[in-house]
Amino acid sequence: HLVQSGAEVKKPGASVRVSCKASGYTFTSYGISWVRQAPGQGLEWMGWISGYTRNTHYAQNFQGRVTMTTDTSTNTAYMELRSLRSDDTAVYYCARDPRMLDDFLTVPTPAFDIWGQGTMVIVSS
Amino acid sequence: DIQMTQSPSSLSASVGDRVTITCRASQGISNYLAWYQKKPGKVPELLIYAASTLQSGVPSRFSGSGSGTDFTLTISSLQPEDVATYYCQKYNSASFTFGPGTKVDIK
Repeated sequence: HLVQSGAEVKKPGASVRVSCKASGYTFTSYGISWVRQAPGQGLEWMGWISGYTRNTHYAQNFQGRVTMTTDTSTNTAYMELRSLRSDDTAVYYCARDPRMLDDFLTVPTPAFDIWGQGTMVIVSS
Repeated sequence: DIQMTQSPSSLSASVGDRVTITCRASQGISNYLAWYQKKPGKVPELLIYAASTLQSGVPSRFSGSGSGTDFTLTISSLQPEDVATYYCQKYNSASFTFGPGTKVDIK
């Protein structure tokens, strides 16, 4: 499964890094996607990183402000979001993503079948 | 970018009712469509992938259909534990965009 780091409180303009440690499957055979949900809002996909190649694809809304990385020695994925604003207040989730190599699938395998427990990030002055 | 829409945005139905939620893609996505259930304070749960394949462990009252641009999620007999928001997600290209969600509650 996926275990995420704990809640964070940050000031506007700061950065936050959330971790997601995988167990129970071969980390390099999948990717990790990050999804967030702001209070009262829907699910928003932020981007993907390959557990094998470390290739990334970020959603347009976050390009230039987000960096996703992995550490295969500890089977951990990280998501760093910079220049935080109050509307970045949300629960951030990692999810196992079927894309191992490329940022697209050639067959519609199961999408996000395993999720982390979520990390609450509050941005407030 | 392909946009996803869902209808209705919310619905209220009685226990035992058949409930249908629609998801539409602005361009064809073949059958690269998933459905998730999200309850407040809980982690999203994958219900359906490849538009119509039931994820392991999901009750058989959930079913999905469609291809191309139009998709449906059906709950054949609504149960109290099905109160949740349901999201579709397209995953045919690099961006795995979610729909805006449909909130389901009990009348």
